[in-house]
Amino acid sequence: KAGVTQTPRYLIKTRGQQVTLSCSPISGHRSVSWYQQTPGQGLQFLFEYFSETQRNKGNFPGRFSGRQFSNSRSEMNVSTLELGDSALYLCASSLEAGGGNQPQHFGDGTRLSIL
Amino acid sequence: AQSVTQLGSHVSVSEGALVLLRCNYSSSVPPYLFWYVQYPNQGLQLLLKYTSAATLVKGINGFEAEFKKSETSFHLTKPSAHMSDAAEYFCAVSVYSGNTGKLIFGQGTTLQVKP
Repeated sequence: KAGVTQTPRYLIKTRGQQVTLSCSPISGHRSVSWYQQTPGQGLQFLFEYFSETQRNKGNFPGRFSGRQFSNSRSEMNVSTLELGDSALYLCASSLEAGGGNQPQHFGDGTRLSIL
Repeated sequence: AQSVTQLGSHVSVSEGALVLLRCNYSSSVPPYLFWYVQYPNQGLQLLLKYTSAATLVKGINGFEAEFKKSETSFHLTKPSAHMSDAAEYFCAVSVYSGNTGKLIFGQGTTLQVKP
Protein backbone atom coordinates (compact mmCIF):
# COMPACT_ATOMS: atom_id res chain seq x y z
CA LYS A 1 0.00 0.00 0.00
CA ALA A 2 1.43 3.35 -1.00
CA GLY A 3 2.13 5.77 1.79
CA VAL A 4 1.34 9.46 2.03
CA THR A 5 2.72 11.30 -0.98
CA GLN A 6 3.64 14.95 -0.87
CA THR A 7 4.65 17.05 -3.84
CA PRO A 8 6.86 18.80 -4.52
CA ARG A 9 9.64 17.74 -2.14
CA TYR A 10 11.44 21.05 -2.38
CA LEU A 11 10.34 24.57 -3.23
CA ILE A 12 12.13 27.88 -3.35
CA LYS A 13 10.06 31.04 -3.39
CA THR A 14 10.57 34.72 -2.74
CA ARG A 15 8.78 36.97 -0.27
CA GLY A 16 5.34 38.02 -1.36
CA GLN A 17 4.72 35.05 -3.63
CA GLN A 18 2.20 32.34 -2.96
CA VAL A 19 2.64 28.58 -2.97
CA THR A 20 0.49 25.46 -3.18
CA LEU A 21 1.53 22.16 -1.68
CA SER A 22 -0.13 18.85 -2.47
CA CYS A 23 -0.80 15.75 -0.41
CA SER A 24 -2.22 12.37 -1.44
CA PRO A 25 -3.25 10.30 1.59
CA ILE A 26 -2.99 6.56 2.03
CA SER A 27 -5.72 4.84 0.06
CA GLY A 28 -8.86 4.63 2.17
CA HIS A 29 -7.79 7.35 4.60
CA ARG A 30 -10.28 10.16 4.74
CA SER A 31 -8.64 12.55 7.18
CA VAL A 32 -5.72 14.75 6.20
CA SER A 33 -3.82 16.98 8.61
CA TRP A 34 -1.05 19.47 7.94
CA TYR A 35 1.83 20.38 10.23
CA GLN A 36 4.63 22.92 10.04
CA GLN A 37 8.06 21.94 11.33
CA THR A 38 10.72 24.54 12.10
CA PRO A 39 13.86 24.38 14.26
CA GLY A 40 12.55 27.07 16.57
CA GLN A 41 8.90 26.14 16.98
CA GLY A 42 9.06 22.40 16.38
CA LEU A 43 6.01 20.63 14.99
CA GLN A 44 2.87 22.72 14.95
CA PHE A 45 -0.61 21.77 13.79
CA LEU A 46 -2.00 23.77 10.89
CA PHE A 47 -5.37 22.20 10.09
CA GLU A 48 -7.33 18.99 9.59
CA TYR A 49 -9.65 18.11 6.74
CA PHE A 50 -12.24 15.38 6.59
CA SER A 51 -14.90 14.86 3.95
CA GLU A 52 -13.81 18.04 2.19
CA THR A 53 -14.46 20.09 5.34
CA GLN A 54 -11.97 21.79 7.60
CA ARG A 55 -12.61 20.27 11.00
CA ASN A 56 -9.88 21.91 13.05
CA LYS A 57 -7.45 24.78 12.65
CA GLY A 58 -4.26 25.70 14.46
CA ASN A 59 -3.03 29.12 15.45
CA PHE A 60 -1.78 30.34 12.09
CA PRO A 61 -2.69 33.49 10.16
CA GLY A 62 -5.28 33.49 7.42
CA ARG A 63 -2.52 33.40 4.81
CA PHE A 64 -2.46 29.68 5.44
CA SER A 65 -5.38 27.87 3.89
CA GLY A 66 -6.22 24.48 2.57
CA ARG A 67 -8.80 22.32 0.96
CA GLN A 68 -9.66 18.71 0.43
CA PHE A 69 -11.06 17.10 -2.66
CA SER A 70 -13.62 14.34 -3.00
CA ASN A 71 -10.84 11.75 -3.44
CA SER A 72 -9.37 12.90 -0.07
CA ARG A 73 -6.36 14.52 -1.68
CA SER A 74 -5.52 17.81 -0.04
CA GLU A 75 -3.76 21.01 -0.94
CA MET A 76 -2.33 23.68 1.28
CA ASN A 77 -1.85 27.24 0.13
CA VAL A 78 0.26 29.97 1.64
CA SER A 79 -0.15 33.48 0.27
CA THR A 80 2.07 36.53 0.64
CA LEU A 81 5.02 34.45 1.73
CA GLU A 82 7.25 35.69 4.53
CA LEU A 83 10.77 34.64 5.47
CA GLY A 84 9.39 32.97 8.57
CA ASP A 85 7.33 30.60 6.45
CA SER A 86 10.48 28.69 5.58
CA ALA A 87 9.83 25.26 7.02
CA LEU A 88 9.17 21.61 6.38
CA TYR A 89 5.45 21.13 5.78
CA LEU A 90 4.21 17.70 6.67
CA CYS A 91 0.98 16.07 5.68
CA ALA A 92 -0.51 13.20 7.66
CA SER A 93 -3.45 10.97 6.96
CA SER A 94 -5.61 8.75 9.14
CA LEU A 95 -8.63 6.56 8.61
CA GLU A 96 -11.12 8.73 10.40
CA ALA A 97 -11.29 12.23 11.75
CA GLY A 98 -11.31 13.06 15.38
CA GLY A 99 -7.83 12.17 16.51
CA GLY A 100 -8.17 9.87 19.44
CA ASN A 101 -6.42 6.55 19.03
CA GLN A 102 -6.15 6.81 15.26
CA PRO A 103 -2.46 7.00 14.37
CA GLN A 104 -1.52 9.56 11.79
CA HIS A 105 0.77 8.48 8.98
CA PHE A 106 3.12 11.11 7.62
CA GLY A 107 4.54 11.90 4.23
CA ASP A 108 8.15 12.96 3.68
CA GLY A 109 7.16 16.60 3.58
CA THR A 110 7.72 19.59 1.36
CA ARG A 111 10.67 21.75 2.30
CA LEU A 112 9.81 25.36 1.53
CA SER A 113 12.56 27.95 1.45
CA ILE A 114 11.77 31.65 1.20
CA LEU A 115 14.43 33.96 -0.18
CA ALA B 1 -4.74 21.80 28.04
CA GLN B 2 -2.83 18.80 26.85
CA SER B 3 0.92 19.10 26.42
CA VAL B 4 4.04 17.00 26.05
CA THR B 5 7.50 17.55 27.48
CA GLN B 6 10.52 15.65 26.30
CA LEU B 7 13.41 15.80 28.74
CA GLY B 8 16.72 16.20 26.99
CA SER B 9 17.01 17.60 23.48
CA HIS B 10 20.07 15.43 22.82
CA VAL B 11 20.86 11.95 24.09
CA SER B 12 24.09 10.14 23.27
CA VAL B 13 24.62 6.42 23.83
CA SER B 14 27.15 3.85 22.75
CA GLU B 15 26.20 1.13 20.32
CA GLY B 16 24.74 -1.76 22.30
CA ALA B 17 23.79 0.39 25.28
CA LEU B 18 20.31 0.98 26.64
CA VAL B 19 18.31 3.75 25.03
CA LEU B 20 15.99 5.77 27.26
CA LEU B 21 14.12 8.77 25.87
CA ARG B 22 11.88 10.58 28.33
CA CYS B 23 8.41 11.91 27.73
CA ASN B 24 5.96 13.43 30.21
CA TYR B 25 2.47 14.45 29.29
CA SER B 26 -0.26 16.63 30.65
CA SER B 27 -3.82 15.65 29.90
CA SER B 28 -7.17 16.19 31.54
CA VAL B 29 -8.61 13.10 29.89
CA PRO B 30 -7.21 9.61 29.34
CA PRO B 31 -4.48 10.26 26.82
CA TYR B 32 -3.65 8.63 23.56
CA LEU B 33 0.13 8.78 23.20
CA PHE B 34 2.47 8.16 20.32
CA TRP B 35 6.17 7.98 19.59
CA TYR B 36 7.43 8.92 16.16
CA VAL B 37 10.92 8.80 14.66
CA GLN B 38 12.27 11.14 12.00
CA TYR B 39 15.32 10.34 9.93
CA PRO B 40 17.11 13.12 8.03
CA ASN B 41 15.15 14.46 5.09
CA GLN B 42 12.19 12.26 5.85
CA GLY B 43 8.80 12.55 7.46
CA LEU B 44 7.70 11.02 10.74
CA GLN B 45 7.39 7.29 11.11
CA LEU B 46 5.14 5.82 13.77
CA LEU B 47 7.09 3.75 16.31
CA LEU B 48 4.30 2.84 18.69
CA LYS B 49 1.07 4.04 20.27
CA TYR B 50 -0.65 3.83 23.62
CA THR B 51 -4.41 3.56 23.48
CA SER B 52 -5.19 2.25 27.01
CA ALA B 53 -5.19 -1.44 26.10
CA ALA B 54 -1.89 -2.26 27.81
CA THR B 55 0.57 -0.14 29.75
CA LEU B 56 3.63 -1.69 28.11
CA VAL B 57 3.55 -1.06 24.41
CA LYS B 58 5.86 -2.74 21.93
CA GLY B 59 6.72 -0.99 18.71
CA ILE B 60 8.84 -1.44 15.66
CA ASN B 61 12.63 -1.80 15.56
CA GLY B 62 12.80 -3.21 19.09
CA PHE B 63 11.44 -0.11 20.82
CA GLU B 64 8.90 -0.19 23.60
CA ALA B 65 7.30 2.33 25.92
CA GLU B 66 5.60 2.08 29.28
CA PHE B 67 2.62 4.22 30.22
CA LYS B 68 2.74 5.26 33.89
CA LYS B 69 -0.31 7.22 34.88
CA SER B 70 0.99 8.04 38.37
CA GLU B 71 4.08 9.65 36.85
CA THR B 72 2.30 10.99 33.73
CA SER B 73 5.13 9.48 31.73
CA PHE B 74 5.52 7.51 28.53
CA HIS B 75 9.25 6.88 28.22
CA LEU B 76 10.69 5.14 25.17
CA THR B 77 13.29 2.42 25.62
CA LYS B 78 15.36 -0.01 23.61
CA PRO B 79 17.64 -2.54 25.29
CA SER B 80 20.49 -2.29 22.81
CA ALA B 81 21.14 0.69 20.56
CA HIS B 82 22.09 0.25 16.94
CA MET B 83 23.81 2.77 14.73
CA SER B 84 20.70 2.90 12.57
CA ASP B 85 18.70 4.22 15.55
CA ALA B 86 20.36 7.62 15.24
CA ALA B 87 17.51 9.98 14.47
CA GLU B 88 15.15 12.47 16.06
CA TYR B 89 12.35 11.11 18.21
CA PHE B 90 9.07 12.81 18.98
CA CYS B 91 6.52 12.04 21.64
CA ALA B 92 2.98 13.20 20.89
CA VAL B 93 -0.40 13.32 22.60
CA SER B 94 -3.65 13.20 20.69
CA VAL B 95 -5.96 16.08 21.49
CA TYR B 96 -9.50 15.31 20.47
CA SER B 97 -12.92 16.76 20.93
CA GLY B 98 -16.05 15.56 19.26
CA ASN B 99 -15.19 14.62 15.72
CA THR B 100 -11.91 16.42 15.34
CA GLY B 101 -8.44 16.19 16.74
CA LYS B 102 -4.77 16.93 16.36
CA LEU B 103 -1.40 15.81 17.62
CA ILE B 104 0.56 17.91 20.09
CA PHE B 105 4.26 17.13 19.82
CA GLY B 106 7.12 17.45 22.21
CA GLN B 107 10.19 19.37 21.11
CA GLY B 108 11.98 16.22 20.05
CA THR B 109 15.06 14.35 21.22
CA THR B 110 18.00 13.75 18.94
CA LEU B 111 19.56 10.36 19.57
CA GLN B 112 23.24 9.97 18.76
CA VAL B 113 24.70 6.48 18.71
CA LYS B 114 28.46 6.21 19.08
CA PRO B 115 30.37 3.23 17.75
